[in-house]
Amino acid sequence: ETGVTQSPTHLIKTRGQQVTLRCSSQSGHNTVSWYQQALGQGPQFIFQYYREEENGRGNFPPRFSGLQFPNYSSELNVNALELDDSALYLCASSPGTSRSYTDTQYFGPGTRLTVL
Amino acid sequence: KNEVEQSPQNLTAQEGEFITINCSYSVGISALHWLQQHPGGGIVSLFMLSSGKKKHGRLIATINIQEKHSSLHITASHPRDSAVYICAVSQGAQKLVFGQGTRLTINP
Repeated sequence: ETGVTQSPTHLIKTRGQQVTLRCSSQSGHNTVSWYQQALGQGPQFIFQYYREEENGRGNFPPRFSGLQFPNYSSELNVNALELDDSALYLCASSPGTSRSYTDTQYFGPGTRLTVL
Repeated sequence: KNEVEQSPQNLTAQEGEFITINCSYSVGISALHWLQQHPGGGIVSLFMLSSGKKKHGRLIATINIQEKHSSLHITASHPRDSAVYICAVSQGAQKLVFGQGTRLTINP
C-alpha cells in the first residue's frame, strides 16, 4: 500500500482551458515528482518539489506549474490546454532525506486527462 | 536515440517460463529503477539498484555499470506477472529518465 492518492481519476477538458490535478503524498515524504505519460510511452519527468520548493524541471513549458504544501499535498496546474496534453499524469513521493533521486519513489494511481 | 532503451518492447510467454527484460542506458546515473505498471496506470517500484544484484521473490535485477546495462529476470512466470515493466535511471539529483517499457504477457 503506497498511500499516495491522486484526484480526480479522470478528467475531460477542452482546448484552452486550465486544469488542476491533486496529489496527496505519504506522510513524512518531503519530495513529490510529477510525470506525464502519453499512451504507449514511458513517463516523462515534469518537475519535482522538495520541501515546497521546485527542485528540478523537465522539458515542459511554463504553462505547467506546481505547488507543494506543508501537509504533503501538491498540485499540478496546466494552463492553455492543448490536445497533446492528453495523457496520464502521475505523481510520486519519496522520503526525500536529501535532494536526490536515489530514494525509492511511491507512485499514485494517476489522473487520466483528455483534452478535446 | 533515447537515453534509456528497453528490449524487447513486447514479450509473450507461457506460464512457468524464465523471463528476461533488458535495459541499456547512455548517460551517467546514480541509480537504476525497475517499475511495474498494471493496466489502469498504477506504478509500483520493484527495485532500485546502483550495483550488483537484488532479488525479491521470483524477481531478480542485475546491473553492470561498466556496460551501462541492466536486466530484470522473472523465474517461474505466472499470468499475474503480466504488466508493463519500465526501466528508469536517476540522472544526478534532478530527474528520472524512463524507458518506453516492455509489455509482458504470460499465458496460462
